[in-house]
Amino acid sequence: GAVVSQHPSRVICKSGTSVKIECRSLDFQATTMFWYRQFPKQSLMLMATSNEGSKATYEQGVEKDKFLINHASLTLSTLTVTSAHPEDSSFYICSARDLGEGYNEQFFGPGTRLTVL
Amino acid sequence: KNEVEQSPQNLTAQEGEFITINCSYSVGISALHWLQQHPGGGIVSLFMLSSGKKKHGRLIATINIQEKHSSLHITASHPRDSAVYICAVSLRGSNYKLTFGKGTLLTVNP
Repeated sequence: GAVVSQHPSRVICKSGTSVKIECRSLDFQATTMFWYRQFPKQSLMLMATSNEGSKATYEQGVEKDKFLINHASLTLSTLTVTSAHPEDSSFYICSARDLGEGYNEQFFGPGTRLTVL
Repeated sequence: KNEVEQSPQNLTAQEGEFITINCSYSVGISALHWLQQHPGGGIVSLFMLSSGKKKHGRLIATINIQEKHSSLHITASHPRDSAVYICAVSLRGSNYKLTFGKGTLLTVNP
């Protein structure tokens, strides 16, 4: 299947700093990427839908000014957690939809574990 | 009530056993996905189904659209199959957004 990478895989930061997470589709183009968050022993929750060349669509309860999403190209979306706090510590996963495959096929990145001290 | 329900929540099996994980949903969908999440957290997409049955190696996934139910089967289970298996659906008209079940933690003992 298609490959999606995330960087970094793990990050530890101090409270109040900003953290950028990259999501790349390595061998396909993705007009749509999704950002999810997963707290321990819980389901993945969709945070936002990232659309290439336009503003992201955020789910209810997700602060767009805190979680900045940029989808500048067909292979890269970034999620920036601004002024991170300990409650933002979580596992962040992206997925990308492959234009070339069946319209619903999504491929997931390996995830980024964020720990805010 | 969650839109996607999985059962069982936890499943322990002996190596070689046939395993079934079930998923029921309550809304109209355009596709159903089975995902595998290992302890490190990374997610692998196993199947995407909109009808019928798919097979990949020892894994089989079926879906019954009328009954709003899907099953994931693992034949000849192996300890390396130990992971969390997640059912997710693309809601009809939702622009491909996924709604996830809570997952089934499978442990296969040698």
